[in-house]
Amino acid sequence: GQQVMQIPQYQHVQEGEDFTTYCNSSTTLSNIQWYKQRPGGHPVFLIQLVKSGEVKKQKRLTFQFGEAKKNSSLHITATQTTDVGTYFCAGPRYGGSQGNLIFGKGTKLSVKP
Amino acid sequence: DAGVIQSPRHEVTEMGQEVTLRCKPISGHDYLFWYRQTMMRGLELLIYFNNNVPIDDSGMPEDRFSAKMPNASFSTLKIQPSEPRDSAVYFCASSLAHNGYTFGSGTRLTVV
Repeated sequence: GQQVMQIPQYQHVQEGEDFTTYCNSSTTLSNIQWYKQRPGGHPVFLIQLVKSGEVKKQKRLTFQFGEAKKNSSLHITATQTTDVGTYFCAGPRYGGSQGNLIFGKGTKLSVKP
Repeated sequence: DAGVIQSPRHEVTEMGQEVTLRCKPISGHDYLFWYRQTMMRGLELLIYFNNNVPIDDSGMPEDRFSAKMPNASFSTLKIQPSEPRDSAVYFCASSLAHNGYTFGSGTRLTVV
């Protein structure tokens, strides 16, 4: 069945270091979304990418959608302790309505001060 | 807007008891989703509604699980009878068409 995979599963960085998480889909996606979940919290929507090769920035966060629309990445420059959490990517379920997303397992980021 | 509101925040119940989780979506959102999150399986879609109509319930684990959305502002997820393996965090989320989901704070369910 359709899969959305993320690597790495865990990432430990020193504060100030960069961080990247990668998302790969088994099928072509019409769009991809990214979410952040703080420890003990709930997923919070960060961004949606729609176009092939699209790059979007939010302050220190850079999101990219691959040319083939099957992969995506999230890069954080100069991590801070406030970046701690799990980052999920999600794409529309194949054959489902656009509103029905399948989530990756997430990358859990820890930042050492 | 107060966001997606879930209740209760925590629920501890004994095996065999009925559990009802509640959700109030954001006004105007036309999709409502119920997810379950565990360490082992991550975020799993249980069921979702579009304009109050159940569209896909293939993620509902067993007949012990049922969900309703009697109107645009309220949904319930019921487990009867509950089992220890149902212990998880249950999230409700709503969205408007193709836009990002807004998740509620979740209900942490513990079945002993």
